[in-house]
Amino acid sequence: KAGVTQTPRYLIKTRGQQVTLSCSPISGHRSVSWYQQTPGQGLQFLFEYFSETQRNKGNFPGRFSGRQFSNSRSEMNVSTLELGDSALYLCASSEGLARGGDTQYFGPGTRLTVL
Amino acid sequence: GNSVTQMEGPVTLSEEAFLTINCTYTATGYPSLFWYVQYPGEGLQLLLKATKADDKGSNKGFEATYRKETTSFHLEKGSVQVSDSAVYFCALNRGPNNAGNMLTFGGGTRLMVKP
Repeated sequence: KAGVTQTPRYLIKTRGQQVTLSCSPISGHRSVSWYQQTPGQGLQFLFEYFSETQRNKGNFPGRFSGRQFSNSRSEMNVSTLELGDSALYLCASSEGLARGGDTQYFGPGTRLTVL
Repeated sequence: GNSVTQMEGPVTLSEEAFLTINCTYTATGYPSLFWYVQYPGEGLQLLLKATKADDKGSNKGFEATYRKETTSFHLEKGSVQVSDSAVYFCALNRGPNNAGNMLTFGGGTRLMVKP
């Protein structure tokens, strides 16, 4: 099976702009989660989508939003970009059915730079 | 809330040396535990996992045992290679109310193996 894919791989934006990142999960996986990785804060959970519904949410401001489509593909949007949003954004997919947490498989990430 | 603590790096070893990276966790209930590895410029790769107490995860010579009594999941390898140089992340997965996915990561440990 093909792995998790993320597009684009690199993005450069300026403060105040908005950005949309895309993630295609492993075929058959219904859960997609997003994580932010920065040198200062490490890896932090943003949100999880399952069957087109947000199932879990981390502690990020409302500028960070997402959605999932019927084919399980997911997009993440960040509005009114700030310098501190510069990070590697990782998408992970899993079957989504296990109690207590699935095994999540990660994509290569999108490197966002905000100038 | 959930948390994961792992030893800070960098850890520098000579080729064929024994590796231990300590990881302890705090969580409600019984989360699944994981080790992920990240190579420069890449996303996270699943290295191994354990889903219940006393389970041993293993892969590519790496091992870790889920110890409920000490809330630990230490990573070990008997003989490291230069190609093992990377950053290693310990993580637990437990969604709120035991529903869905929410990975909590340790801060990462950079391993450098010298020939």
